Amino acid sequence: KAGVTQTPRYLIKTRGQQVTLSCSPISGHRSVSWYQQTPGQGLQFLFEYFSETQRNKGNFPGRFSGRQFSNSRSEMNVSTLELGDSALYLCASSYGSGSQLAKNIQYFGAGTRLSVL
Amino acid sequence: GESVGLHLPTLSVQEGDNSIINCAYSNSASDYFIWYKQESGKGPQFIIDIRSNMDKRQGQRVTVLLNKTVKHLSLQIAATQPGDSAVYFCAEIGSGGGADGLTFGKGTHLIIQP
Repeated sequence: KAGVTQTPRYLIKTRGQQVTLSCSPISGHRSVSWYQQTPGQGLQFLFEYFSETQRNKGNFPGRFSGRQFSNSRSEMNVSTLELGDSALYLCASSYGSGSQLAKNIQYFGAGTRLSVL
Repeated sequence: GESVGLHLPTLSVQEGDNSIINCAYSNSASDYFIWYKQESGKGPQFIIDIRSNMDKRQGQRVTVLLNKTVKHLSLQIAATQPGDSAVYFCAEIGSGGGADGLTFGKGTHLIIQP
């Protein structure tokens, strides 16, 4: 079974631009979560999508948004980029069944490294 | 243990020795815990999990211990190998399930000395 695939692996943007990152989950997984990883803040939860609906959201400004398609693939968008948005963006997928905790084990992609200049 | 900012705690062990990585959590309602390993340039990789109704679980060369009284989790790696060098994160899921994502600790950098 193929793992979580994130594209692109690397991106360089300038302040004020916007960016879209893509994530293809493991086949059969309906939940996709996004995380931001920086040396200073560690791994921080951005949002989770399940069946095309945002199920939960972390504490990030509205410039960060996402969506999920009917095939469970997900995209996240960051508008009006700031220098502080430079980070590794990780996508994770799971079956997403809240009542069965083992099915919530999240499997991560390799991430997209975003550099904002 | 945990740390703040750029200074990840580092644990350096000799190849072949056992290592113990510790993690403290704050949410007493957490119901499920996971250890992840992150190698350089890769995303976190699932290692082992444990539910709050257990105090010990063993995998291949790894053992997780859970002490709910003091809200402490540890990962023991037996007979460490060079490939064990990575950053290790503990993560917790609240009793409501995974809807609010995982809450990660800051991580511990494990270095295996030859």
